[in-house]
Amino acid sequence: LAKTTQPISMDSYEGQEVNITCSHNNIATNDYITWYQQFPSQGPRFIIQGYKTKVTNEVASLFIPADRKSSTLSLPRVSLSDTAVYYCLVGGLPGGGADGLTFGKGTHLIIQP
Amino acid sequence: ETGVTQSPTHLIKTRGQQVTLRCSSQSGHNTVSWYQQALGQGPQFIFQYYREEENGRGNFPPRFSGLQFPNYSSELNVNALELDDSALYLCASSPGAGAYQETQYFGPGTRLLVL
Repeated sequence: LAKTTQPISMDSYEGQEVNITCSHNNIATNDYITWYQQFPSQGPRFIIQGYKTKVTNEVASLFIPADRKSSTLSLPRVSLSDTAVYYCLVGGLPGGGADGLTFGKGTHLIIQP
Repeated sequence: ETGVTQSPTHLIKTRGQQVTLRCSSQSGHNTVSWYQQALGQGPQFIFQYYREEENGRGNFPPRFSGLQFPNYSSELNVNALELDDSALYLCASSPGAGAYQETQYFGPGTRLLVL
C-alpha cells in the first residue's frame, strides 16, 4: 500500500510561497503522484501530477526527489483564495482500486492577510 | 466549472431506506468514479465504471452499487441505509479507461443525511 503522510494543517500569509510536503515511503515503480485542492462543499480539483524530478504548470510546481519517497507541492505567492484542503495521492494501476484512488486527510492550508 | 453535475444537492433519508444519487459526466468521458467523503475526512473511493462495466472497487459493502449509462450519466445506489452513510457523495469523470494518472473532474457532490 502506497500510503501518504502530510501535515494536517499549515498557515501562511498572502504573497508568500507555500510548500507542502507529502511522504510516500512505499511508492511503487509505476505510481504517479497527484495533488488535488478542495474548497468547502465542493469536489476536489486537480492541481498537478508528476512521476519524477520537477513539474510546473500555471498554478503550482511539484518537486520529486530521485528516490520518490516524498514530494513537495509549491504554491507561489499565495492569496486568500488559496485557503483550502490539499490532498496528495499516489497510485498507478488502471482502475486503481482502493490503493490508487484513495485520498488521505489532506493538509488544511490557511492563508492570512 | 468541471462540467460534471450531480443531483440532488442535498437529501435526507431514514435508516433502512434506499437512495439513488445521480451524476452527469462530461461528454466523451468514458470513466466515472464515485467517492464518499465523511465530515473532516478525505474522499474514499467506492467504485469506478468504464463503459458501463465496473472495473474497480474500494472497501465498501455490496449494498453500494452503481450503474453507468451510454449517455454519460451514472447512478450510485445505496440500500439499507445506515447512520454512518451520512456523507458527501462525489462523482468524478475522466476521459480514458480509468488509469490512475488521468485527471479526474469532480462534481459538486450530493450531501446525504441519514436519520
